[in-house]
Amino acid sequence: EAGVTQSPTHLIKTRGQQVTLRCSPISGHTSVYWYQQALGLGLQFLLWYDEGEERNRGNFPPRFSGRQFPNYSSELNVNALELEDSALYLCASSSRLGSPGYNEQFFGPGTRLTVL
Amino acid sequence: GNSVTQMEGPVTLSEEAFLTINCTYTATGYPSLFWYVQYPGEGLQLLLKATKADDKGSNKGFEATYRKETTSFHLEKGSVQVSDSAVYFCALITGGGNKLTFGTGTQLKVEL
Repeated sequence: EAGVTQSPTHLIKTRGQQVTLRCSPISGHTSVYWYQQALGLGLQFLLWYDEGEERNRGNFPPRFSGRQFPNYSSELNVNALELEDSALYLCASSSRLGSPGYNEQFFGPGTRLTVL
Repeated sequence: GNSVTQMEGPVTLSEEAFLTINCTYTATGYPSLFWYVQYPGEGLQLLLKATKADDKGSNKGFEATYRKETTSFHLEKGSVQVSDSAVYFCALITGGGNKLTFGTGTQLKVEL
């Protein structure tokens, strides 16, 4: 069974540009989560989508946004990139809210974003 | 709010040594507790979990017991291997928000 997949693996952008990161969950999972792992800041929760709806949002500015598609894959969009957005962006998935094991999140390999 | 405190790293051990990585938490309600491991250049892997007080999670020789009275979830392994070298994260989830709150991570280096 395939795990969570993310694309691209690495990305280099310049300040002010926009970026889109993609995530495909484990088959059968309906929830997708995004986390940022920045140097010195640890792992921080960004967004949670379940059944196409945004369920929870971390303490990030509105230029961080995303969506979930009918096939449960997800995109994370970051507008007006800043230097401090350089980080590893991790996607995770879990089973449907309320189902057994729904709070068990499985992570993808991440997308390394560098902003110059 | 929720928070997780882990012991500072790096922790350097010889192969076959005993490992303990301390983790304590503050949470509203009754959290589920997790240990994740991150190998160099990779994402996070779920190592073990416990969902209620006195539960013991175990996997690959690692164990952790959910201690409500001391709000702790310390990770232990009786005999570490070089392949266990990684960063270990303690984390919790509470309630309906379903977001993981992580500790800062503890880097483990195991030497021959």
